[in-house]
Amino acid sequence: GENVEQHPSTLSVQEGDSAVIKCTYSDSASNYFPWYKQELGKGPQLIIDIRSNVGEKKDQRIAVTLNKTAKHFSLHITETQPEDSAVYFCAASPQTGANNLFFGTGTRLTVIP
Amino acid sequence: NAGVTQTPKFQVLKTGQSMTLQCAQDMNHNSMYWYRQDPGMGLRLIYYSASEGTTDKGEVPNGYNVSRLNKREFSLRLESAAPSQTSVYFCASSELAEQYFGPGTRLTVT
Repeated sequence: GENVEQHPSTLSVQEGDSAVIKCTYSDSASNYFPWYKQELGKGPQLIIDIRSNVGEKKDQRIAVTLNKTAKHFSLHITETQPEDSAVYFCAASPQTGANNLFFGTGTRLTVIP
Repeated sequence: NAGVTQTPKFQVLKTGQSMTLQCAQDMNHNSMYWYRQDPGMGLRLIYYSASEGTTDKGEVPNGYNVSRLNKREFSLRLESAAPSQTSVYFCASSELAEQYFGPGTRLTVT
């Protein structure tokens, strides 16, 4: 099955700086890559996703890039704010059957005011 | 529109006890999922249901059973709880690729 690795496991940045989280995947058949944000005591919330026919996608301060050849994708958060502090998960899906997701192990982002 | 709801929020069981975690969604999604989340391991798929009437094993199905009661509801049962099943359990639903998660059930088995 798919194996997703995520780095770093923890990340601290000053408010206003950028944060980058990186993931690699193993299954070349994967073609859907979502990112989730999880706040303390809550379920994961989808913040952005990208499909394999696109190299980059932006939504305000958040962007995701995908390199299919190297099998890696990254989340970029610019102008970080304290409310961006959370755990972020990447995931990959081969979109067969029920669109099962395979998750990375998470990155705890702390934005220091 | 509540999205995905889960009950209970918290539960403590003794080893060997059984219980059922309930999940319901009001988004008319076809697919539903159960995940467990353990520290440092991300979310791992236990079982999923691609559509009403079907269920399939995920990555870590041992010790669990599921029932897709109807299109809205998908329950997870632990027949004989073990300490290794101490975890946070999340239910999710989807129509296409995007999955929407419930708030989770924190289960402790002593």
